[in-house]
Amino acid sequence: GNSVTQMEGPVTLSEEAFLTINCTYTATGYPSLFWYVQYPGEGLQLLLKATKADDKGSNKGFEATYRKETTSFHLEKGSVQVSDSAVYFCALSQEAAGNKLTFGGGTRVLVKP
Amino acid sequence: NAGVMQNPRHLVRRRGQEARLRCSPMKGHSHVYWYRQLPEEGLKFMVYLQKENIIDESGMPKERFSAEFPKEGPSILRIQQVVRGDSAAYFCASSPGRGTNYGYTFGSGTRLTVV
Repeated sequence: GNSVTQMEGPVTLSEEAFLTINCTYTATGYPSLFWYVQYPGEGLQLLLKATKADDKGSNKGFEATYRKETTSFHLEKGSVQVSDSAVYFCALSQEAAGNKLTFGGGTRVLVKP
Repeated sequence: NAGVMQNPRHLVRRRGQEARLRCSPMKGHSHVYWYRQLPEEGLKFMVYLQKENIIDESGMPKERFSAEFPKEGPSILRIQQVVRGDSAAYFCASSPGRGTNYGYTFGSGTRLTVV
């Protein structure tokens, strides 16, 4: 079945540091890939997505590129802010699997001033 | 246009009681998904419903859990005879369609605590 593996946290950074969160997946075919962000006490918000190989999703300074050859979708941001402190979830979906989302375990990011 | 509305935000139940969690999808969305987030874990799929039909319940525990999405009104996730292990955050997401290009909108979740 489908699965998503992402690096465990917590990841603690200083403001303006570079952030990378690794995400790899296992799926047959060509899933759609997503990054969701969850701020404390809130639900998940879609951060960015990519639907085919070599697509780059980007939003709010975050980027991730769909790499079919390495089955990866690593999230990056060049200069983090305190407001980026949250839990980040990598996920995939496939029509063949009923379009339901399969999530990684989440990575907690803490940005200190 | 209101987002996905879940209520209550917080629910406390004693062991053995019933919990009913409600989800009103976004206007125009007829597809609803329920996910459970155990403490310090990712979200796990529970059930996928389309108006009046359960499409995929492969993630639902076999006993005590049920879900519905009636023609009128919100989707309901019902947990009978709750146990401590049911304590979790339950999230609902809605979508206008089933294809992978349709986006999901998540609600803020219901945090169930069983005491």
